[in-house]
Amino acid sequence: SQKIEQNSEALNIQEGKTATLTCNYTNYSPAYLQWYRQDPGRGPVFLLLIRENEKEKRKERLKVTFDTTLKQSLFHITASQPADSATYLCAHPASGGSYIPTFGRGTSLIVHP
Amino acid sequence: DTAVSQTPKYLVTQMGNDKSIKCEQNLGHDTMYWYKQDSKKFLKIMFSYNNKELIINETVPNRFSPKSPDKAHLNLHINSLELGDSAVYFCASSQEHLGGEQYFGPGTRLTVT
Repeated sequence: SQKIEQNSEALNIQEGKTATLTCNYTNYSPAYLQWYRQDPGRGPVFLLLIRENEKEKRKERLKVTFDTTLKQSLFHITASQPADSATYLCAHPASGGSYIPTFGRGTSLIVHP
Repeated sequence: DTAVSQTPKYLVTQMGNDKSIKCEQNLGHDTMYWYKQDSKKFLKIMFSYNNKELIINETVPNRFSPKSPDKAHLNLHINSLELGDSAVYFCASSQEHLGGEQYFGPGTRLTVT
């Protein structure tokens, strides 16, 4: 069955460093991947979408890559700030033409001042 | 202005009761969703409506019944509440049908005692 996996352990980094989060998927080749940010007690907020024919996408300090060979997407936050601390969710449409949105469990990022 | 709103924010009720959660979006989107986020933080889709028509029903018990009076509203009614229904329920909407970025509401934390 299809799986979308994110590192369940929290990522702790120092302010100013680059945070890199990983999303792996198996048994499927999604047409695109999305990344969302979720703060405690709030709904997810869309950040970036990358399609299978795109290697990289950028938005301000955010960068997403999509490696269809490794079946992996990397999410980078450069010059990280304590305000970037949140849970980051990866999502893709399920296979079979249904495009049912499927979310990973998310990775918690903690940026220390 | 709030893009996707849900009421109530918190809902505490006893087993066996019937309750409803309301959702409204003012983005002009055609597609709306209901998600359940359990204690392990998995965000799982329950239903999707496109232009008031049910598109996705993801093996959700019959006790859950969505209703879309118009394309800006998608309500969730739950009959005979059980302990396992305790979770955070998110409403979301998207411009594209089952694709593209989704806009989430703030969530409704349901606690069944």
